[in-house]
Amino acid sequence: EADIYQTPRYLVIGTGKKITLECSQTMGHDKMYWYQQDPGMELHLIHYSYGVNSTEKGDLSSESTVSRIRTEHFPLTLESARPSHTSQYLCASSVENTGELFFGEGSRLTVL
Amino acid sequence: GEDVEQSLFLSVREGDSSVINCTYTDSSSTYLYWYKQEPGAGLQLLTYIFSNMDMKQDQRLTVLLNKKDKHLSLRIADTQTGDSAIYFCAEKDSGAGSYQLTFGKGTKLSVIP
Repeated sequence: EADIYQTPRYLVIGTGKKITLECSQTMGHDKMYWYQQDPGMELHLIHYSYGVNSTEKGDLSSESTVSRIRTEHFPLTLESARPSHTSQYLCASSVENTGELFFGEGSRLTVL
Repeated sequence: GEDVEQSLFLSVREGDSSVINCTYTDSSSTYLYWYKQEPGAGLQLLTYIFSNMDMKQDQRLTVLLNKKDKHLSLRIADTQTGDSAIYFCAEKDSGAGSYQLTFGKGTKLSVIP
């Protein structure tokens, strides 16, 4: 079982609020990722990190930001949430050689 | 860029075999993966195959890789209602600095009791 945790699992907030989605892993993986999953199931990479103090934007443009101050922690922040940010957000980390991804359970965000 | 294609839906009867197909475009793929996602959960790795293999079997799961046709399949024998989920195919290429997987859009498997 993967040791990667996301909180909160579910969040309903109003427009304009600032939110942070937490992601932590205890496997010591250097590489971590955030995916956004739309209702049609497709996964979109929005952020990734190759290690501490390294963050990059993914394939899908996102208004969110991330930070990587510690190896085990990769939080995602939305400064001002909008209804268009309503989605499922999945955090993952990967094994170095095979590239195998371990996913958290996801954070389902609803912005009213 | 790389592309991974899957059919979106598959419906089978309980006890039958399910075959989920995937095609990819990147000829330098090194690892190919199958992930399962149950409702409200994250993705769980089912199995992966290295590109120099043709087949891998793990209990009820059989993965077939046709590297010439860039075709990957996942066969689930004796499909159960608990197998109902979304199945994602993914590939990792061998390019320098390539640490990301390319995912298909997912195949929703429905098992009819």
